[in-house]
Amino acid sequence: NAGVTQTPKFRVLKTGQSMTLLCAQDMNHEYMYWYRQDPGMGLRLIHYSVGEGTTAKGEVPDGYNVSRLKKQNFLLGLESAAPSQTSVYFCASRGTGQETQYFGPGTRLLVL
Amino acid sequence: AQKITQTQPGMFVQEKEAVTLDCTYDTSDPSYGLFWYKQPSSGEMIFLIYQGSYDQQNATEGRYSLNFQKARKSANLVISASQLGDSAMYFCAMREGPSNTGKLIFGQGTTLQVKP
Repeated sequence: NAGVTQTPKFRVLKTGQSMTLLCAQDMNHEYMYWYRQDPGMGLRLIHYSVGEGTTAKGEVPDGYNVSRLKKQNFLLGLESAAPSQTSVYFCASRGTGQETQYFGPGTRLLVL
Repeated sequence: AQKITQTQPGMFVQEKEAVTLDCTYDTSDPSYGLFWYKQPSSGEMIFLIYQGSYDQQNATEGRYSLNFQKARKSANLVISASQLGDSAMYFCAMREGPSNTGKLIFGQGTTLQVKP
């Protein structure tokens, strides 16, 4: 039981490049979330999903897209990376009827 | 306006002593949840404790307790008998409204250093 895993752990991009961050959970959770963490600002919600095939915008969705084609996976895409997207990205999942969100280990992204 | 405010950027505590980390929140929704997460230097987010807005008693989990004062809109984390391994960043978070989305709003965090 791996919990929530994120791929990759670290990535360097050039401005304008694209990439996809993968989040996978093996807890059969309905809800999944993508957050970003910037120094001094805590975590902010980017997008979230309340079930397979659904996605919704969070607090800071601009510049990102997401997909939830399979219940266990939640993908975060950057179509044209910008230096402002340099951050640590966390994925989380939550089961139905539960309150606790379980977080992945994070992906550190540097955009040059 | 800040929904979650953590006014202590950094705190020090002597090993084996208790420490209180402050958190105030702002919401007009009667249904909400309050959480504390720990983030050690390794970077992962570890769930510590949860308090629902309708819970009558303060939540406790081992050495962690949440001092919930609804009228004052505060949800302070109390760590008893601090250990060196408690040195980390601590985040207060709020789930506003019903739990059908579960979206969390985080505070800016408090760094706790435990001195031997």
